[in-house]
Amino acid sequence: AQTVTQSQPEMSVQEAETVTLSCTYDTSENNYYLFWYKQPPSRQMILVIRQEAYKQQNATENRFSVNFQKAAKSFSLKISDSQLGDTAMYFCASATQYGNKLVFGAGTILRVKS
Amino acid sequence: GAGVSQTPSNKVTEKGKYVELRCDPISGHTALYWYRQSLGQGPEFLIYFQGTGAADDSGLPNDRFFAVRPEGSVSTLKIQRTERGDSAVYLCASSSTGLYTDTQYFGPGTRLTVL
Repeated sequence: AQTVTQSQPEMSVQEAETVTLSCTYDTSENNYYLFWYKQPPSRQMILVIRQEAYKQQNATENRFSVNFQKAAKSFSLKISDSQLGDTAMYFCASATQYGNKLVFGAGTILRVKS
Repeated sequence: GAGVSQTPSNKVTEKGKYVELRCDPISGHTALYWYRQSLGQGPEFLIYFQGTGAADDSGLPNDRFFAVRPEGSVSTLKIQRTERGDSAVYLCASSSTGLYTDTQYFGPGTRLTVL
């Protein structure tokens, strides 16, 4: 069974600073993908970034990057130059080749302060 | 191109009533998913369609919940004899092929409140 754990219920960061959101996961599969989704108050889940487990290089998307530590089963999200529009709930999720569904963590509320 | 749409945006019903929630996936996407998100929690999987058939319905909590996708496009989630514990946001997502490597694109959800 897959599990995803986000141990930070809430985080705050000053505008223009950097923040890191933590995520750990557990799976017995070798082939899987990891995702970070953002959910603003509008409820629309938006994909932020994704990582293929067999790729050692950490994924980056503009101001967003991940630190993927496969042996430790850790997948943290770093947001650089935080903007007010980054304020949202962030969910870490996984999907394996033996189940197309996404398994989500409980989420981290991120508040960017001006 | 339009994204995933869901109707209604909000639904208030009384305990014991029947409700239907609709999802319009991205055009051409063969895979469609339903998730349920309770307050303050992450989404939980309910059911996955590949085309017209339910490929995985292991997340449906009980036999009061049923979903259909008769033409392989629009899907309807049906809840009979609603209970207060069914109150949640119901999210729909679609992906192009249903492979685990695909990105799932989400709709804005339907907030169901059972009084």
